Amino acid sequence: EAQVTQNPRYLITVTGKKLTVTCSQNMNHEYMSWYRQDPGLGLRQIYYSMNVEVTDKGDVPEGYKVSRKEKRNFPLILESPSPNQTSLYFCASSSPPGQGSYNEQFFGPGTRLTVL
Amino acid sequence: QKEVEQNSGPLSVPEGAIASLNCTYSDRGSQSFFWYRQYSGKSPELIMSIYSNGDKEDGRFTAQLNKASQYVSLLIRDSQPSDSATYLCAATDRGSTLGRLYFGRGTQLTVWP
Repeated sequence: EAQVTQNPRYLITVTGKKLTVTCSQNMNHEYMSWYRQDPGLGLRQIYYSMNVEVTDKGDVPEGYKVSRKEKRNFPLILESPSPNQTSLYFCASSSPPGQGSYNEQFFGPGTRLTVL
Repeated sequence: QKEVEQNSGPLSVPEGAIASLNCTYSDRGSQSFFWYRQYSGKSPELIMSIYSNGDKEDGRFTAQLNKASQYVSLLIRDSQPSDSATYLCAATDRGSTLGRLYFGRGTQLTVWP
């Protein structure tokens, strides 16, 4: 089954304790992205990657890091989480336009993070 | 800052009615447009995509695109209570080569029996 998986699905942590949220896709997609979703603010892109070793900042990258060492994986790293990073996080993947695709993005199930 | 704006809602329609959701976008270079449905606490699910001016129909859903007016809409015919969700409009970045989508804040739709 074609899918994007994220782990963990739920996480409660404390300020300053480094954490990693994993994301993996089995569709051989080049593009991967991380979003956060907050009430009233909609989906905001944190980072995106167009291919292995190619990443760029989205609209709200502060406090986050990413890496893309393999095509299928795109982990999100919070080096020193703070309460304002409490949010619902989504990973997404897509094929680049022009390969029978128009960059339709497919989302993972989400990770609900609470930072105390 | 590129923006996608949606009618804020919430929108409430009776079962069987047509629900109309609207979206405007600021970047005239945007190439592709998408409608996602999101149930509470769940991930966005792609329901429609449109790339050319005009209408595109898929079952009970019709997407309409007018690039001159920078306007995208989604019509849901014969609305069902199961259509109750938040609908997100999204547009690609100029040139569509950067892997970026810009999302509106969503319109919450309630279909009552």
